[in-house]
Amino acid sequence: NAGVTQTPKFRILKIGQSMTLQCAQDMNHNYMYWYRQDPGMGLKLIYYSVGAGITDKGEVPNGYNVSRSTTEDFPLRLELAAPSQTSVYFCASSPRSPYNSPLHFGNGTRLTVT
Amino acid sequence: QQQVKQSPQSLIVQKGGIPIINCAYENTAFDYFPWYQQFPGKGPALLIAIRPDVSEKKEGRFTISFNKSAKQFSLHIMDSQPGDSATYFCAAGGNQFYFGTGTSLTVIP
Repeated sequence: NAGVTQTPKFRILKIGQSMTLQCAQDMNHNYMYWYRQDPGMGLKLIYYSVGAGITDKGEVPNGYNVSRSTTEDFPLRLELAAPSQTSVYFCASSPRSPYNSPLHFGNGTRLTVT
Repeated sequence: QQQVKQSPQSLIVQKGGIPIINCAYENTAFDYFPWYQQFPGKGPALLIAIRPDVSEKKEGRFTISFNKSAKQFSLHIMDSQPGDSATYFCAAGGNQFYFGTGTSLTVIP
């Protein structure tokens, strides 16, 4: 059982480039999330989805876009990368609202923008 | 602004000690308070969680104490072991969570 799989593990981008961070889960979870983790700042929610075709903004959505065409996949798109987007990105999923069930996290993507 | 304030930023204890990590929140609508444990290179994993209708919850060596009137909650790790060395995050919320800034715990053998 793979759980939540994130690719790539590491990536270096130049300022202004674009990329998509991939996230896939095989647990048939309805809820999926993207967080970024910065040193000393904890985890900040970027976007989340409560089911295929439904997405919503979190605390820090600027500079990012998401889509959810299937239950399994929840890619995060960075357009015009900026140094402020240097971070570790975590995808997570849960079967129901996180009020009632834990978040299952992937192992993260470490992104550097130079 | 930081919805959940966590302290200390780092903590070093001897094996067998009882590290305590504290968190405070402002929003009285928050009704779910989990703690996550994170090892280097891994994503966080749920450790233990509490709802505001109880003041304490124990799971093995881990205990959450919750003070609703003070809007504070804390994690206690009994008989700490070197394998407990990790970063611990508190969180608070309902349908959406806000995480604390994390506490790096080192347990010295």
